[in-house]
Amino acid sequence: NAGVMQNPRHLVRRRGQEARLRCSPMKGHSHVYWYRQLPEEGLKFMVYLQKENIIDESGMPKERFSAEFPKEGPSILRIQQVVRGDSAAYFCASSDSMGETQYFGPGTRLLVL
Amino acid sequence: RKEVEQDPGPFNVPEGATVAFNCTYSNSASQSFFWYRQDCRKEPKLLMSVYSSGNEDGRFTAQLNRASQYISLLIRDSKLSDSATYLCVVSNNAGNMLTFGGGTRLMVKP
Repeated sequence: NAGVMQNPRHLVRRRGQEARLRCSPMKGHSHVYWYRQLPEEGLKFMVYLQKENIIDESGMPKERFSAEFPKEGPSILRIQQVVRGDSAAYFCASSDSMGETQYFGPGTRLLVL
Repeated sequence: RKEVEQDPGPFNVPEGATVAFNCTYSNSASQSFFWYRQDCRKEPKLLMSVYSSGNEDGRFTAQLNRASQYISLLIRDSKLSDSATYLCVVSNNAGNMLTFGGGTRLMVKP
């Protein structure tokens, strides 16, 4: 029973490029959450999605960041025109319903050169 | 003021010691409370949920005081493998957003 899967595990981008981070929730889970952990800091909520819907994006930066969770396939966190300050670990979590325990994936470590 | 505050540590303790971590949260409407554990460069893993009545799981005991908005974690008989960062986590009243403390680092020495 595979857990939450994220890929790539490590991603290197130059300033101005786009980063696409993918998350496949645990089997049977339809709720996905994205969190960002900057170096030496705690995790910060970014966005909460259900299939084809963004439910809460209060933690997402207003520009350059977007997220989707299509009917088929993984959830995608997209960062356009990356800057050095975007370098962080991005964790995805999933749950089988709202309010239930969130299980985390291994994270994607983004490095912007 | 941070929404969830923890002493960052590190707490350096010998094997077999008892160690306690505390955490305070600012949002009185918070509904659920957890302790997660995060190893270096790994994802957070749920250690235990925290209830007002207090709960115990083996060597770990968690307590919640809603009136004081205070959460604690007690680890008895520390093992080397307990070395990690312990994250105090609070969910909002909808249960969809987790707010993490900055973590308390524990190092158990032989």
